[in-house]
Amino acid sequence: SQTIHQWPATLVQPVGSPLSLECTVEGTSNPNLYWYRQAAGRGLQLLFYSVGIGQISSEVPQNLSASRPQDRQFILSSKKLLLSDSGFYLCAWKFPGVVEAFFGQGTRLTVV
Amino acid sequence: GDSVTQMEGPVTLSEEAFLTINCTYTATGYPSLFWYVQYPGEGLQLLLKATKADDKGSNKGFEATYRKETTSFHLEKGSVQVSDSAVYFCALGRAGGSYIPTFGRGTSLIVHP
Repeated sequence: SQTIHQWPATLVQPVGSPLSLECTVEGTSNPNLYWYRQAAGRGLQLLFYSVGIGQISSEVPQNLSASRPQDRQFILSSKKLLLSDSGFYLCAWKFPGVVEAFFGQGTRLTVV
Repeated sequence: GDSVTQMEGPVTLSEEAFLTINCTYTATGYPSLFWYVQYPGEGLQLLLKATKADDKGSNKGFEATYRKETTSFHLEKGSVQVSDSAVYFCALGRAGGSYIPTFGRGTSLIVHP
């Protein structure tokens, strides 16, 4: 069966520091991968999605970037964090031939 | 493009009360519809789904019926429990390779003992 791993679960980082969040999917190949952000009490904001290795689409211009170095690995990065980058970050995957998406457990990022 | 609208929260109920969370959608053709649940501090879990008109998805006492004529997919449960307190997301999906799932803004449910 397919599983998705996302780490770390919690992160506290100072303003101006770099960021790297990692997401890995097991048990499938060539998934579509997504990064979402959820601000406190808010809905889901799509940040990036990828349909293949090295293919990244950005939905919102901002301080973040994403990369997909391997088929089942999706990384969210920042060179210098801002206070406004605080939030709950969710990775999700969807097999192209299947209608539903599946989510990781999320990373709570607090920028101080 | 596709969109999903769900009722604003929070919805506050007493234990054993009846629950309805409204969801309507705008889309062409026949998308699939979902409800996801997010417990505090966790990711989203797929609660139920329906893939064609008049389908009823059900799980853990929750159910929702895909109504093409009213473009709706309302979530219902006959008797809620404190453990049902969570945020519920209505969503729309398609099997296309590059399709991005579309989510509503989420509805917070608070159930009091």
